[in-house]
Amino acid sequence: QKEVEQDPGPLSVPEGAIVSLNCTYSNSAFQYFMWYRQYSRKGPELLMYTYSSGNKEDGRFTAQVDKSSKYISLFIRDSQPSDSATYLCAMIGNAGNMLTFGGGTRLMVKP
Amino acid sequence: GAVVSQHPSRVICKSGTSVKIECRSLDFQATTMFWYRQFPKKSLMLMATSNEGSKATYEQGVEKDKFLINHASLTLSTLTVTSAHPEDSSFYICSPNPGPRGGYGYTFGSGTRLTVV
Repeated sequence: QKEVEQDPGPLSVPEGAIVSLNCTYSNSAFQYFMWYRQYSRKGPELLMYTYSSGNKEDGRFTAQVDKSSKYISLFIRDSQPSDSATYLCAMIGNAGNMLTFGGGTRLMVKP
Repeated sequence: GAVVSQHPSRVICKSGTSVKIECRSLDFQATTMFWYRQFPKKSLMLMATSNEGSKATYEQGVEKDKFLINHASLTLSTLTVTSAHPEDSSFYICSPNPGPRGGYGYTFGSGTRLTVV
């Protein structure tokens, strides 16, 4: 079993839909949680980071962390075709550790 | 997160030649740099961690002599693919270790697409 599980998709939604992306993990030591967006042939772009449990909102993006369930989510409201990309979750136990990634979910937003 | 500059973004080389990839941390001093390799439609795979002023730490299965890593200063780390072969063709990405700032997220270079012909 992988340390971080993420559905690879592809996830196809119509423009304007609310998108829900999720990861589950097994290591209870993880404290910092990040979401990245990666366009084809580009480096990952940091979208959201959260510490411990709770919600964080930034524009159309909301990140949720439920440490009791070892489950994290990224919600995208009013999805746009430009949101079409691969989304990677990543997490660490302590600042300065190396990241543990999910496998990535490919999202396609159709006009 | 840190501002990272990675060059070149794309390189095509002949089999047997060597290719150097540079990664610069522009706004803070990175004592360590993570180097990743990514295959199509796959997640990032950590290859090695470079350490300023000392030897790099390689992950299991990564050839030290093929992937030479140098961390000459607190702002520059390089990955040299030596005697490249077609199977080395891949997407290589660097990421400075933000250390205690890690809670603010890790950032990545824009990546280097290597094609060996």
